[in-house]
Formats: sequence, C-alpha cells, structure tokens
Amino acid sequence: AQSVTQLGSHVSVSEGALVLLRCNYSSSVPPYLFWYVQYPNQGLQLLLKYTSAATLVKGINGFEAEFKKSETSFHLTKPSAHMSDAAEYFCAVRPGGGSTLGRLYFGRGTQLTVWP
Amino acid sequence: GAVVSQHPSRVICKSGTSVKIECRSLDFQATTMFWYRQFPKQSLMLMATSNEGSKATYEQGVEKDKFLINHASLTLSTLTVTSAHPEDSSFYICSASRAGGSYEQYFGPGTRLTVT
Repeated sequence: AQSVTQLGSHVSVSEGALVLLRCNYSSSVPPYLFWYVQYPNQGLQLLLKYTSAATLVKGINGFEAEFKKSETSFHLTKPSAHMSDAAEYFCAVRPGGGSTLGRLYFGRGTQLTVWP
Repeated sequence: GAVVSQHPSRVICKSGTSVKIECRSLDFQATTMFWYRQFPKQSLMLMATSNEGSKATYEQGVEKDKFLINHASLTLSTLTVTSAHPEDSSFYICSASRAGGSYEQYFGPGTRLTVT
C-alpha cells in the first residue's frame, strides 16, 4: 500500500528563515515524488519532482528537495523564506511500475505561514 | 506549456439540479485525466481516473451514477454532478497527464461548487 506522511500540518517561520517541510512515503517499488503548492482557491502548482535521476532536486522559487531512499523521505527546503511562500504544500507519490494508472497519492498537506 | 483550464471557476446551483464541470488541456493531448475533490483545509481526494475513449475508473466509495465522467477527446473531460445536494458542495480539481509517458500531472485551477 502506498502512503504519504507529512509531519506537521502547520509550519510557521520568520521571513528570511529556513523552510523545512517534511515528507515520508511508503512504496513497494521506487517511486516518483512530487511537491506541489496551492494558494487559496487555486489548483496545484508543481514545485519540483524526483524521477530517479539526481537525488537532490531543485525546483521553482528557490525550493529544493532531497530524495533519501534509506529514510524514505523527500523533505522540501528553502534557505530563506519569503512572504509570498505562505501557502499549502502537498507532497505526492506516484508509485513506480505501470499498474496504478499514474495516480498520485497525496499527503495531508502542510500550511506554511511566514511572519514578517 | 501544459496548461489545464476548468470551467466554471465557481458555480452555485439548487439542490436537485445537475451541474457540469469542464476540464480542458489547452496545449497538449491528455490521455489520462483525473478528478479530485477537496474539502476545506484537507488534502485532495481522488474521485476517478479517466482515459480518453473509455469508461472512467472510480475510487472506492465514489458513486459513479452521481458523478458522471466523460472523456470524449484528448483535450476535454467533463464531470457532471447529478441531483446535487448540499453535501456535494466542495472544491473540484481536475488534472491531466500527457500522452507519451510524462510522470507528472498538470492541475486545473479548480471549481468551487456550492449547492443551496
């Protein structure tokens, strides 16, 4: 069974501080991993993705994530938070192999608040 | 590239009526489209997966006679909520994946349905 766990439903940081959003997954085969951001009343925008190439993945808006197979983790980081980063962040897993029709399994989301 | 639109963005309907939501891939061919439902402050719940020209695959617990999905072309899928009730009020989001084996889904901006 696939599952995605995002530790911390709410994370608050000061502007300029490090952002760390945690994501752990379970998957029986090497997965593809994604981070999405959602602003209020909008759809999801892809921040970055891991598709079995480099384990350190750089995305848009200064975000990056590192795939650690031994820890089954794919944590999202940004060195310096900006006010515009305040949003809901979702980690998602697409299991490897071809039996799941390409569906994604989402974590519950983490609401990031950035204080001035 | 890879833009997905949804129409309408907001709709209010009376209980007992039906409402149709369109999902279009504007600049690519989408062999697979996904429909999600999102409750306030919660993650996305996959409702169904549809492949062009074939019947949709519904997730367990989703009533296929209530949520009719049609994927008649490579750029259009529709979700019809039949005999809507207030509990169907939600944010509905579609996504599409490209023909050719891309690993990611491209999300529409969502449709806010309110049933009065």
